[in-house]
Amino acid sequence: KQEVTQIPAALSVPEGENLVLNCSFTDSAIYNLQWFRQDPGKGLTSLLLIQSSQREQTSGRLNASLDKSSGRSTLYIAASQPGDSATYLCAVPISSGSARQLTFGSGTQLTVLP
Amino acid sequence: DTGVSQDPRHKITKRGQNVTFRCDPISEHNRLYWYRQTLGQGPEFLTYFQNEAQLEKSRLLSDRFSAERPKGSFSTLEIQRTEQGDSAMYLCASSPGDRPPFGYGYTFGSGTRLTVV
Repeated sequence: KQEVTQIPAALSVPEGENLVLNCSFTDSAIYNLQWFRQDPGKGLTSLLLIQSSQREQTSGRLNASLDKSSGRSTLYIAASQPGDSATYLCAVPISSGSARQLTFGSGTQLTVLP
Repeated sequence: DTGVSQDPRHKITKRGQNVTFRCDPISEHNRLYWYRQTLGQGPEFLTYFQNEAQLEKSRLLSDRFSAERPKGSFSTLEIQRTEQGDSAMYLCASSPGDRPPFGYGYTFGSGTRLTVV
């Protein structure tokens, strides 16, 4: 059974700081990994999708890396802004053979202080 | 098409009542998913449709829950005889089903927040 863990559960940083969010998964036979952002009381917004053949993916100030062999992914946020405050979730398809269900971590709640 | 739409955004109901939620996926996506999210947790899978066929169901989907996608376009999720434990955010997502089947990400809607009082 795929299990996804996100550390830390909460993080508070001053504006302008670079930060890293961590995601680990137990079954390395994944097809891809997706990072999402969720604002309070809202749905999920897709940030980055990394295919299993890729090692990293970039979008603006965001950079996500994937190391399948170690079962880890990181989301790097450069020059953080108060508008980045949200919960960040990573998700992977459950065990090999099915890409239809996503298993999510519990998220990292990020607060960027002005 | 601007994304996945869910209706209503919020629903407050009395325990024992039935509720129905609607999801309109991205038009060219033939895969549709329902997830449930409780406070402080990541979303949990409920069920999956490919076109009009419901192919997978989670054990979380008790007999009081039923989902349909009658024409392979929009979907409805009905909860009968609601209980306080059903209070959660219900999220719908869609993805393309073209080959290869595993390389596409999911697009989520804004969710329906259900409160059972």
